[in-house]
Amino acid sequence: RKEVEQDPGPFNVPEGATVAFNCTYSNSASQSFFWYRQDCRKEPKLLMSVYSSGNEDGRFTAQLNRASQYISLLIRDSKLSDSATYLCVVTLVNYGGSQGNLIFGKGTKLSVKP
Amino acid sequence: ETGVTQTPRHLVMGMTNKKSLKCEQHLGHNAMYWYKQSAKKPLELMFVYNFKEQTENNSVPSRFSPECPNSSHLFLHLHTLQPEDSALYLCASSQDMGGGGYEQYFGPGTRLTVT
Repeated sequence: RKEVEQDPGPFNVPEGATVAFNCTYSNSASQSFFWYRQDCRKEPKLLMSVYSSGNEDGRFTAQLNRASQYISLLIRDSKLSDSATYLCVVTLVNYGGSQGNLIFGKGTKLSVKP
Repeated sequence: ETGVTQTPRHLVMGMTNKKSLKCEQHLGHNAMYWYKQSAKKPLELMFVYNFKEQTENNSVPSRFSPECPNSSHLFLHLHTLQPEDSALYLCASSQDMGGGGYEQYFGPGTRLTVT
């Protein structure tokens, strides 16, 4: 079983739509969770961290369900500039070295059309 | 943005060549990373350096040899590569205060093609 699984998409949505991405992780010891964004032919950049209580940043809402080992990202009122690949990322137990390294999913591609 | 720079941006090399990728971070971070990104695969961590010491080598073939002379510079030396090594090689850095899992800042990557 893959460590971090995401629906690869692509998700093709019109401007203004609400879109949700899901991610599951296999290691119950995972401690930290993130969504990164990667534009076409660019490097990944942190979009937001994901907290147990859920968190919101403008049009973006991230949720974590530890019992189900499931993370989600909701984008409301999507913009053309939201078109990118969204990477689900987890780390294991919060120690130094390999336990703290990021484990990436393959990413979900989003394409927002006018 | 110039937080993490990588050179060259594109590289084409034959299987018998020797080349090096360079990464420099201007963020004052103490941890640096090499990743490989191939089509339809997740980012694969290759090497981790923390305070210039290598703390992770993710079963990477010896034809990839990292070097970290100081906390701002990271190199990846390449020799006798295979065509399947063609990929985007990304460098990243973070401020690791012992807990791990901190935001990593990525460079733009080197697009490597092995012929």
